[in-house]
Amino acid sequence: SQQGEEDPQALSIQEGENATMNCSYKTSINNLQWYRQNSGRGLVHLILIRSNEREKHSGRLRVTLDTSKKSSSLLITASRAADTASYFCATDVRGGADGLTFGKGTHLIIQP
Amino acid sequence: KAGVTQTPRYLIKTRGQQVTLSCSPISGHRSVSWYQQTPGQGLQFLFEYFSETQRNKGNFPGRFSGRQFSNSRSEMNVSTLELGDSALYLCASSFWQGGITYEQYFGPGTRLTVT
Repeated sequence: SQQGEEDPQALSIQEGENATMNCSYKTSINNLQWYRQNSGRGLVHLILIRSNEREKHSGRLRVTLDTSKKSSSLLITASRAADTASYFCATDVRGGADGLTFGKGTHLIIQP
Repeated sequence: KAGVTQTPRYLIKTRGQQVTLSCSPISGHRSVSWYQQTPGQGLQFLFEYFSETQRNKGNFPGRFSGRQFSNSRSEMNVSTLELGDSALYLCASSFWQGGITYEQYFGPGTRLTVT
């Protein structure tokens, strides 16, 4: 079953604009992670945010976590054509013992 | 550090055959997880190994199995292949210690096509 659900399913914006993707989940988590996947290739880890953290930054990426609402958001600022990819949130419930549970992903298209 | 490597990258098999996929984790990572990705079901957890022991398994039939060697390399096997087993199989390694999970590093995947 899908623990995380991303919203929107697809997003198309102009280069230079900001992109925001949201993720909702159902059960308590140890941490939540965001990954990027280009054209059916392997996943690239972006950010891990633990349950006791509220916000993390990495370059042009900003992730927030609201455990009371069981939701997270990924913000990509000043988007570039190379950011075109699918973005997945993944939740870790039991310290990795059950693996990560992924959402269906948001497909982001950056128009030049 | 070299990344996670998976072999082979592409495979075409016939229904009823079996297949073995290999994964070499990042040096120092003792946790190896396997995932199946299909357009319909998305990314689904298959199993996870740590120090040669399977710690947990996802909701897949017994035709899916795996193992981990003392050097942390892992293999997964699918027996009696079905058309629905066509998927991208991803391996991921991570550093794990004392119940604390760290980020997972994924390999490029093995694209399996069953005809």
